[in-house]
Amino acid sequence: EDKVVQSPLSLVVHEGDTVTLNCSYEVTNFRSLLWYKQEKKAPTFLFMLTSSGIEKKSGRLSSILDKKELFSILNITATQTGDSAVYLCAVVGGTSYGKLTFGQGTILTVHP
Amino acid sequence: DAGVTQSPTHLIKTRGQQVTLRCSPKSGHDTVSWYQQALGQGPQFIFQYYEEEERQRGNFPDRFSGHQFPNYSSELNVNALLLGDSALYLCASSWRQGARETQYFGPGTRLLVL
Repeated sequence: EDKVVQSPLSLVVHEGDTVTLNCSYEVTNFRSLLWYKQEKKAPTFLFMLTSSGIEKKSGRLSSILDKKELFSILNITATQTGDSAVYLCAVVGGTSYGKLTFGQGTILTVHP
Repeated sequence: DAGVTQSPTHLIKTRGQQVTLRCSPKSGHDTVSWYQQALGQGPQFIFQYYEEEERQRGNFPDRFSGHQFPNYSSELNVNALLLGDSALYLCASSWRQGARETQYFGPGTRLLVL
């Protein structure tokens, strides 16, 4: 059974800090890893990673995947209060055509 | 370009009742997946519909059933509601079952069972 573990479970920082969120996984026949941001209801898509060692970037957010060590990190630089949210990591594996297996999420709180 | 839409936004039911939730996928998408998210947890996969058939199913009882229509929209039905069914129900859409395709989520339906 696919498994995703995120750490830390919660994090409190001040504006301007840099944070690193971790996601480790166990999956049969890895297909992809996705990061989502969930503020109130709908998780909003951030990144999809399929290849090891290639960094994806979008503004102050970036993510990288290590398929050998089975983990991914999500970095947020110069954090803002608007970054406060739950960050979810999910994997797709095996023949599970598109079934997302999620971790518990990391609750990020950014104080002014 | 309309994103994923869900209805209703909130719903209150009592134990034993039945509920139907609806989802319209993002334009151009043909696959709909349903997830249940309990408070403080990540979403859990319920099932996926593609070509009007249930293609995959998570560890949910038969009380959870669904349907996909020719226009790709989908319904989730839950019978004999239990208190533990209280959760946020999320619908996600993608193209061709989404193994390496991004899945986009709707705003969800918050279900409260009393």
